[in-house]
Formats: sequence, C-alpha cells, structure tokens
Amino acid sequence: DTGVSQDPRHKITKRGQNVTFRCDPISEHNRLYWYRQTLGQGPEFLTYFQNEAQLEKSRLLSDRFSAERPKGSFSTLEIQRTEQGDSAMYLCASSKGRAPETQYFGPGTRLLVL
Amino acid sequence: DAKTTQPTSMDCAEGRAANLPCNHSTISGNEYVYWYRQIHSQGPQYIIHGLKNNETNEMASLIITEDRKSSTLILPHATLRDTAVYYCIVRVFNNAGNMLTFGGGTRLMVKP
Repeated sequence: DTGVSQDPRHKITKRGQNVTFRCDPISEHNRLYWYRQTLGQGPEFLTYFQNEAQLEKSRLLSDRFSAERPKGSFSTLEIQRTEQGDSAMYLCASSKGRAPETQYFGPGTRLLVL
Repeated sequence: DAKTTQPTSMDCAEGRAANLPCNHSTISGNEYVYWYRQIHSQGPQYIIHGLKNNETNEMASLIITEDRKSSTLILPHATLRDTAVYYCIVRVFNNAGNMLTFGGGTRLMVKP
C-alpha cells in the first residue's frame, strides 16, 4: 500500500453514460498524475496537477475527459459519454515534486464500458 | 526523454538473483534511470532510481555502466512474489512536472 487510494476499484458502465473516479494522494504530495493503461500496454500519461492547477494535458485527453483537483488534495477524473474504447485501467500517482521526483501509484480503477 | 530497450520476457528460478537489463544508449547527462514494476492487476510500484552511481535499497540494486548507456536491475533473491512486469524509464528531472513514459517492460517470471 503506497498511501495513494482510488475509488471505485472497478466500474462497469454502459456506453454513453458518464463516470467519475476519485484519487486521494499521499497527504503531503503536491503533484498528482493521471495515467491510463489498456490491456497489455504500459501506462500512458493523461494529465497532472501541481496543487490545484492543472499544468499539462496529454492529447489522449479528449474533450469528453475532465479532471479537477479543487483544493489541491483529492482529484476527480470524469469521462462523459463513455465509449467502448475508454475501457482501461485508470491510474493515479502522486509525488512531492522535489528532485529527483518519485511518483507513487494507487491501485487503479478498472473501467469496463459495455 | 531517452528511449529504453528491454527484453520482452525473462525467467528466473526462485531464490536466485534476477538480473534485468536495460539499454538507454541515447541517455543525456541530466537524465535519471528509474525502475518500476507492476504486479498483475495492481498499480506500478517504485523500485529504485539512479543518476550515475550504483544504488541499493531494500528491494533491489541498480548497476549503471560507466558510460551510462545501459543499466541492470538486480533482485538478489527472487521470490514468486517478484513475478511482474519491470519497467526501465529514463527521464530528466526539472522543476516542472514530468510524466513517466512507460515502454513495454520486461515480464519476469519467477519459477519454483
């Protein structure tokens, strides 16, 4: 257990529905990252926050995806109008942001879109 | 960030040392070598990182060649629980956030 928690651990939804995932980072960590991992592939970066500011977004993050970290603590990742191609493991990681940075990952949320 | 090359898979006998190689021939002077592993259906787990010198912690040792173009992660006494995909990642650290770029990794199978 790294201290990063994610909820829910599993989510099954129908195509077209909206889903929201939550990540609680290690309490003193000011950076929070979201990654996506499809079957058989390594994780791919989606976006990251420094405190409450979203500083970088991958081109993988389409308009249907939105992430927030309103108080610089927990973060949410919402997917609107889900598609079958959104089925993946969504991973959250946090770090202190000091050199050299080490990111600690949560257990992930596995999404299945039917 | 420099690209890494790792074998797709490796086997190791339980109790023996597992030596996982990584080539990073285009590494720059300010890039660190990081190792993570991912046990099935779990999030990636940080193992170790280094810049120039060899490093050791409670999980593993990291040996970086003098020219820094390759490195080896050593698990001194592999157990069945070390069966996982091991990722070698090379990245520069600056004060801006840096995502980790995962390649295919090495699938290590520890056998009884």
